[in-house]
Amino acid sequence: GQNIDQPTEMTATEGAIVQINCTYQTSGFNGLFWYQQHAGEAPTFLSYNVLDGLEEKGRFSSFLSRSKGYSYLLLKELQMKDSASYLCTVTDSNYQLIWGAGTKLIIKP
Amino acid sequence: IAGITQAPTSQILAAGRRMTLRCTQDMRHNAMYWYRQDLGLGLRLIHYSNTAGTTGKGEVPDGYSVSRANTDDFPLTLASAVPSQTSVYFCASSEGQGAETQYFGPGTRLLVL
Repeated sequence: GQNIDQPTEMTATEGAIVQINCTYQTSGFNGLFWYQQHAGEAPTFLSYNVLDGLEEKGRFSSFLSRSKGYSYLLLKELQMKDSASYLCTVTDSNYQLIWGAGTKLIIKP
Repeated sequence: IAGITQAPTSQILAAGRRMTLRCTQDMRHNAMYWYRQDLGLGLRLIHYSNTAGTTGKGEVPDGYSVSRANTDDFPLTLASAVPSQTSVYFCASSEGQGAETQYFGPGTRLLVL
């Protein structure tokens, strides 16, 4: 079956760095997305990786290793507004999105 | 530009009743999707439409139906609601099908009693 694993919850301190990992097992691969979802709100797009390596976008970076079925989202200089759930999702060979359950990130002062 | 709108924002529904959740986008996106999101679970695809006039079944289609008469609108109907359909429902759209960024509506919170 197809599966995406990410930690259920993580806690970090304001101003610090946190890495949220995602491992996947899917039938084929056509890209990996990270979305951010604040409590009670809709998911919003953060990043997209289709080739191996690091994609940097301001304070957020996303890394992909297709051979390992692994990605991470790196958040630097954490701010209180970064408290949210982070959803990892993979596009499989049929171009269907497989969604992880999300990682709830709690930022403490 | 509103993006994607959903209605109603929330609803309490008696079991057995029929309910249509509305979704409208103004981005002229070809593909649209309906998801449900339950605590502890990832987003689960109910139905999708790759272009106006076509629809397809997702991971959890039972008890739901959709139509796509035009590009902008993609209503989701619960023919006879059951308590297990209590959830948050998100509509989304993307420019095309495949590995495209999806844009989400604000969601409809549905409680079936």
